Amino acid sequence: DAGVIQSPRHEVTEMGQEVTLRCKPISGHNSLFWYRQTMMRGLELLIYFNNNVPIDDSGMPEDRFSAKMPNASFSTLKIQPSEPRDSAVYFCASGRGQDTGELFFGEGSRLTVL
Amino acid sequence: EDQVTQSPEALRLQEGESSSLNCSYTVSGLRGLFWYRQDPGKGPEFLFTLYSAGEEKEKERLKATLTKKESFLHITAPKPEDSATYLCAVRMNYGGSQGNLIFGKGTKLSVKP
Repeated sequence: DAGVIQSPRHEVTEMGQEVTLRCKPISGHNSLFWYRQTMMRGLELLIYFNNNVPIDDSGMPEDRFSAKMPNASFSTLKIQPSEPRDSAVYFCASGRGQDTGELFFGEGSRLTVL
Repeated sequence: EDQVTQSPEALRLQEGESSSLNCSYTVSGLRGLFWYRQDPGKGPEFLFTLYSAGEEKEKERLKATLTKKESFLHITAPKPEDSATYLCAVRMNYGGSQGNLIFGKGTKLSVKP
C-alpha cells in the first residue's frame, strides 16, 4: 500500500510568489495533519482535519497560510504571498482518528523562499 | 516555554555501546507519549506509544519506558543502521485541540562501526 504522498518534494520560489503544497493521505485514514519542520523550532503542527473538516488551525502562522481538504484523498497547503521565513520542510501526515498518536508521514516538501 | 525537552541533542556511540535517550515533559494530564524515528530527508516513522507510568515497549534493540515526568529510549548494542534522529511527542489532556502532538526537537544518534 502506498504511503502518504506529497508533492512537490522540493520548491524554490521568490518572495511574494504563491506556493501550493499537495498531499494524498493513506486510503482509509480519516485524519490529516500538516506540520512544518525547522532547525530552530522543530516540528510544529499547522492544521489538522478529521473527516475532511478542519478541526484546529491555531498553528497556522498567519492569514498568508490556508489549507483545504476537498475530499478524503487530497489536501493542499497554500502560502500566498510567500516570505523567506516560510522556508522549511512541510510534512503531511495521516492517521486513523484524530486522537491517534500513530501518524504516517510523507517524505515532506522542502520549500525555499528567496 | 518548551513542554517537551529531549536530551542530549546529539549522541555518538560505537557499535555495541548501549545508551539511553531522554524525553522530559512539563504537561499535565498526559494522554500519551510517542516515539518516532526520522532518517535524513524522510518523514518521521512511528515507533512506540506509552500511556501510563511504568509502561514499557520493546522493538528489536529499542526499549521505551515512561515515568510521570519523563520517558527513556534505551538502545541496546546499537548498530550503524540505528543512526537517525529520535523524536518524542506528547499529547495533553486539556480542553483545546485533542489532535495536537507536541514534538521535542529530537536527539540525533550516530552509531559508528
